Amino acid sequence: GAVVSQHPSRVICKSGTSVKIECRSLDFQATTMFWYRQFPKQSLMLMATSNEGSKATYEQGVEKDKFLINHASLTLSTLTVTSAHPEDSSFYICSASSGEIRETQYFGPGTRLLVL
Amino acid sequence: GQNIDQPTEMTATEGAIVQINCTYQTSGFNGLFWYQQHAGEAPTFLSYNVLDGLEEKGRFSSFLSRSKGYSYLLLKELQMKDSASYLCAPMDSNYQLIWGAGTKLIIKP
Repeated sequence: GAVVSQHPSRVICKSGTSVKIECRSLDFQATTMFWYRQFPKQSLMLMATSNEGSKATYEQGVEKDKFLINHASLTLSTLTVTSAHPEDSSFYICSASSGEIRETQYFGPGTRLLVL
Repeated sequence: GQNIDQPTEMTATEGAIVQINCTYQTSGFNGLFWYQQHAGEAPTFLSYNVLDGLEEKGRFSSFLSRSKGYSYLLLKELQMKDSASYLCAPMDSNYQLIWGAGTKLIIKP
């Protein structure tokens, strides 16, 4: 139980294009989904928290117009990196919580983004 | 401020036991999580402690002392596949996880 999928697992794009990453909870309803970014050998950095049907809460320093988050259903959240630049290249990981299992976050496998 | 202190790296031998310590300071406390993260992969959930004491789950055990702001993860009968980073993540009063860089555990034959 508590499986989270993420798609795509890897994406390479040209500078200036937009990239959409999907995060799905497969066997539970995720009342809350989280989006993280992780640079090599660094800790996870929370970008935003989203609850189904409401606007995402962004962490300080994260541009909400650049990183668009949509949490349209209890099983799907999307992160769109708009007008991507090489400095956006990173490992993006989503996690989901049902709010019932002691707030445990279950992570998707991550998406490695490379912007050329 | 909020912070986590874990050793950056540890080395242990296959079949042995290793204890990874974590001290933390948070604004409020709603439990502490341990996650395992293999290189290039996302974290996977290992354990959750909210009360003082030891929680055992197979080869892995996690201990918590809230008064000391201290936790440890104990790994027994180490296997090569246990080579990974181990992340101690306390949850603050806003139910937000606080992440450090974790402890990289290297298992040698």
